Amino acid sequence: SQQGEEDPQALSIQEGENATMNCSYKTSINNLQWYRQNSGRGLVHLILIRSNEREKHSGRLRVTLDTSKKSSSLLITASRAADTASYFCATPSPRGTGRRALTFGSGTRLQVQP
Amino acid sequence: GAVVSQHPSRVICKSGTSVKIECRSLDFQATTMFWYRQFPKQSLMLMATSNEGSKATYEQGVEKDKFLINHASLTLSTLTVTSAHPEDSSFYICSARDVGVNEQFFGPGTRLTVL
Repeated sequence: SQQGEEDPQALSIQEGENATMNCSYKTSINNLQWYRQNSGRGLVHLILIRSNEREKHSGRLRVTLDTSKKSSSLLITASRAADTASYFCATPSPRGTGRRALTFGSGTRLQVQP
Repeated sequence: GAVVSQHPSRVICKSGTSVKIECRSLDFQATTMFWYRQFPKQSLMLMATSNEGSKATYEQGVEKDKFLINHASLTLSTLTVTSAHPEDSSFYICSARDVGVNEQFFGPGTRLTVL
């Protein structure tokens, strides 16, 4: 079952604008990750934020984590057409320890218009 | 960084045939690999956990006799879709866990189309 829900499901913006995607999850976690997936391709790991971190930056990416609200956001600043992709949050599987699989959110499809 | 490969990247087969997909960790040993399935415009769903030297564990609703998993070595896991049907058409992605760095790395995926 899906642990995370993301919104919006789809987002269309112009180049240069910022894009914000949100993810909510249900169980306690020790970290949350964001991945990018170009259409029909594999996953690219973007960033990992730990439960004791509130914000993390990587280039044009900014991730926040609010464990009290069980939510995270991914902000892409100064977007480019090449940022067009689907973005997924992922959390460690809640089904017992030692499994270490990931449970993915429903994803946000970002379209950046040139 | 660590690399995980999948082969083939794309396969088209007739209904009723079996298809084998390989997942390899190229520069690290992986005692655990995971198989995910992604239908069009949907998220990745965990199908099963592949454990080197022991039986795979399957998620609820995934038929173990239909999706055979073999993890015969520390660098290779295979997923065989037996008697494939059009509804099995999907994007299959594996990941391998590098225990040395406690990270999970994803393969590029295999697009399966069953006619």
